[in-house]
Amino acid sequence: KAGVTQTPRYLIKTRGQQVTLSCSPISGHRSVSWYQQTPGQGLQFLFEYFSETQRNKGNFPGRFSGRQFSNSRSEMNVSTLELGDSALYLCASGTGWGSYEQYFGPGTRLTVT
Amino acid sequence: GESVGLHLPTLSVQEGDNSIINCAYSNSASDYFIWYKQESGKGPQFIIDIRSNMDKRQGQRVTVLLNKTVKHLSLQIAATQPGDSAVYFCAENRDDKIIFGKGTRLHILP
Repeated sequence: KAGVTQTPRYLIKTRGQQVTLSCSPISGHRSVSWYQQTPGQGLQFLFEYFSETQRNKGNFPGRFSGRQFSNSRSEMNVSTLELGDSALYLCASGTGWGSYEQYFGPGTRLTVT
Repeated sequence: GESVGLHLPTLSVQEGDNSIINCAYSNSASDYFIWYKQESGKGPQFIIDIRSNMDKRQGQRVTVLLNKTVKHLSLQIAATQPGDSAVYFCAENRDDKIIFGKGTRLHILP
């Protein structure tokens, strides 16, 4: 069974631009969670989607948004990029809402210049 | 504030010895804890979990201990191997969100 895939793996953007990251969960998984990982703040929860509905949200500004499609694939969008948005963005899939056992993808490394 | 954290940012262990990675948490309402391993260039990998109604849980070469009295969690790795070199995170499930600690980097000495 294929694992969680994230595209693109690396991305360079400039301040003020917007970016869309994609995540394909493991086949059969309906939950997708997004995390931001930085050296200073560590791994922080962004949001979780289950059956196309946002079920939970972390403490991030409204510039961070996401959605989930009927095939469980998910996208997250960051608008008006800031230098501090440079991070590794990780996606994790699970079988159910608030799924305890999550499987992470390799992440998308976003650099904002 | 309430957080999940680890005592040491780095830990060096001789190959073949046992490793013990510690974690302290402050939210007494947390009922589920997880340990993840993250190797360079990869996403976190689930190692083992434990619910708050348990004190100990064993997996393959790993044991997680939970002491609710002092709000302490530990991960023990038996016979540490070079492939165990990674950053280890403890995490708690709180309000259906996974809250991660800062991580401990495990170095394996030859």
